[in-house]
Amino acid sequence: EAQVTQNPRYLITVTGKKLTVTCSQNMNHEYMSWYRQDPGLGLRQIYYSMNVEVTDKGDVPEGYKVSRKEKRNFPLILESPSPNQTSLYFCASSPRDRVGYTFGSGTRLTVV
Amino acid sequence: AQSVTQLGSHVSVSEGALVLLRCNYSSSVPPYLFWYVQYPNQGLQLLLKYTSAATLVKGINGFEAEFKKSETSFHLTKPSAHMSDAAEYFCAVSAKGGGSNYKLTFGKGTLLTVNP
Repeated sequence: EAQVTQNPRYLITVTGKKLTVTCSQNMNHEYMSWYRQDPGLGLRQIYYSMNVEVTDKGDVPEGYKVSRKEKRNFPLILESPSPNQTSLYFCASSPRDRVGYTFGSGTRLTVV
Repeated sequence: AQSVTQLGSHVSVSEGALVLLRCNYSSSVPPYLFWYVQYPNQGLQLLLKYTSAATLVKGINGFEAEFKKSETSFHLTKPSAHMSDAAEYFCAVSAKGGGSNYKLTFGKGTLLTVNP
């Protein structure tokens, strides 16, 4: 089954404790991206990657890092999480035609 | 730059009534347009998409949307609401053409409530 898999689904952590949210897709998509969803703000792009070793900032990149060492994986790293990063996070991938976006099931992160 | 405006953060309809969720976009290049639905505690599910073929697009669960270039709109409709349609709906735009960021720009969402 074609899918984007995120882990974990739920995470509660403390301020300053580094964490990684994993994202993996099995569709050989070139493009991958991370979004965060906050009430009243919709979804905003954090980072994106056009291919292996090619990443760039989205609209709200502060406090986040990403890497793209393999085509299928695009982890989101929070080196020092803060409470304002409490949010629902989605990973998405797409082929070059831009019309086949597939989203993961989401990761609900709470930073206390 | 591209943007999406969804009119009405909350729409309430009676079961069996027409559903109309409004979306207007701005884009410097011809866009691709999408509607996604999010049920409580779930991820995003694609309802339908416009990719410059037919301007009237039919999606899943009886929803459809019409692309109107002159009005820069892509409103979502369903003739008869079901209780199961209660969810949050997001309109999104992605610009065609050059550039390496296939960013989906989302509206802020419309919460649809269906009353019995």
